[in-house]
Amino acid sequence: DVKVTQSSRYLVKRTGEKVFLECVQDMDHENMFWYRQDPGLGLRLIYFSYDVKMKEKGDIPEGYSVSREKKERFSLILESASTNQTSMYLCASSLVYTNEQFFGPGTRLTVL
Amino acid sequence: GESVGLHLPTLSVQEGDNSIINCAYSNSASDYFIWYKQESGKGPQFIIDIRSNMDKRQGQRVTVLLNKTVKHLSLQIAATQPGDSAVYFCAENRGRGANSKLTFGKGITLSVRP
Repeated sequence: DVKVTQSSRYLVKRTGEKVFLECVQDMDHENMFWYRQDPGLGLRLIYFSYDVKMKEKGDIPEGYSVSREKKERFSLILESASTNQTSMYLCASSLVYTNEQFFGPGTRLTVL
Repeated sequence: GESVGLHLPTLSVQEGDNSIINCAYSNSASDYFIWYKQESGKGPQFIIDIRSNMDKRQGQRVTVLLNKTVKHLSLQIAATQPGDSAVYFCAENRGRGANSKLTFGKGITLSVRP
């Protein structure tokens, strides 16, 4: 059974903290994605990666960075968390030449 | 600019009736479309997809229709069940190969009345 896991389901951080969100997939997928989901705005792409150590900006990369040191793991980093980064964060993965993305359960981040 | 939008934010249907969820897209170059279902507390799950060279595709109780002339996509669910209650997203594919990315609509909530 294909699986995308995210390190935390719920996370509460303070403004200015550095935050790491981890995502792991066990499907040997080349592509991995980070989205944030907000009410009324749907899913918006933050960053994606199509190979180890490769990354591309999505639609809303400001305030975020990513790391992909291993094929199965894609990390989202908030260098200095702000309250407007309170959101649901979803990780997804896909094979390089298919479009179907498999999603993790999400991490609900609250920044106080 | 590019956008994928859903016509209505919520849809309420009677159990057993058919549901139709509509979606408009603006990028005429999009070659692939997907419908996702997101249940409460879970990540989106794939329902059905369709390529731009097709008008219709059927799955188990679901049908996706694509009208490229008016850039419209719809998801039909037959004999809607309580388990179909969820948020539904349409998505269109941008880019090619390794740079393929999906653009998601804002989502529509389907509520099934018993």
